[in-house]
Amino acid sequence: AQSVTQLDSQVPVFEEAPVELRCNYSSSVSVYLFWYVQYPNQGLQLLLKYLSGSTLVKGINGFEAEFNKSQTSFHLRKPSVHISDTAEYFCAVSPHNTDKLIFGTGTRLQVFP
Amino acid sequence: DTAVSQTPKYLVTQMGNDKSIKCEQNLGHDTMYWYKQDSKKFLKIMFSYNNKELIINETVPNRFSPKSPDKAHLNLHINSLELGDSAVYFCASSQRQGATEAFFGQGTRLTVV
Repeated sequence: AQSVTQLDSQVPVFEEAPVELRCNYSSSVSVYLFWYVQYPNQGLQLLLKYLSGSTLVKGINGFEAEFNKSQTSFHLRKPSVHISDTAEYFCAVSPHNTDKLIFGTGTRLQVFP
Repeated sequence: DTAVSQTPKYLVTQMGNDKSIKCEQNLGHDTMYWYKQDSKKFLKIMFSYNNKELIINETVPNRFSPKSPDKAHLNLHINSLELGDSAVYFCASSQRQGATEAFFGQGTRLTVV
């Protein structure tokens, strides 16, 4: 079985400050890793994904994440956040050769002016 | 053009009623999904279909019946609605089996009163 833990349910940060949203996972099989963003009253949008290769992955809107296999982590970072980054962020894994995404419980990023 | 569209966006209904949510994707994807997001924003897969064939049924009550008339459509019918069915239901699609990138619809907020 797989599980995803997002350690922070809420992360408040001031505009232009750096941010890191933490994600750890547990799985007995290899997985693909994802970060999705959900803006208020909207669906989920893919920020970035790790399938294979370089462990540092760059996504949209200036976000990046680093896959650390030994620590089973996939933390999301942005060097300077904007007010418009205020949203719910979901980390997810997908076991290889399956159809499902297994989500963490989400982290609410609140950016203050 | 909306890639994954769901109707209706909001649905308010009484306990015991039967209702349907429709989903269509114009991305040419083979695989479609239904996810449920509860009041705590936790997302969990319900079903996946590949080319009209049911692949995943994730211990969902049999009051929920997905129907895929063709690979571009995946509808969700719910019988005898219960208060606990209140949630946001998301349709998603991906190019092939293996959720390497899922595109989500805007969601349907179902409220059972």
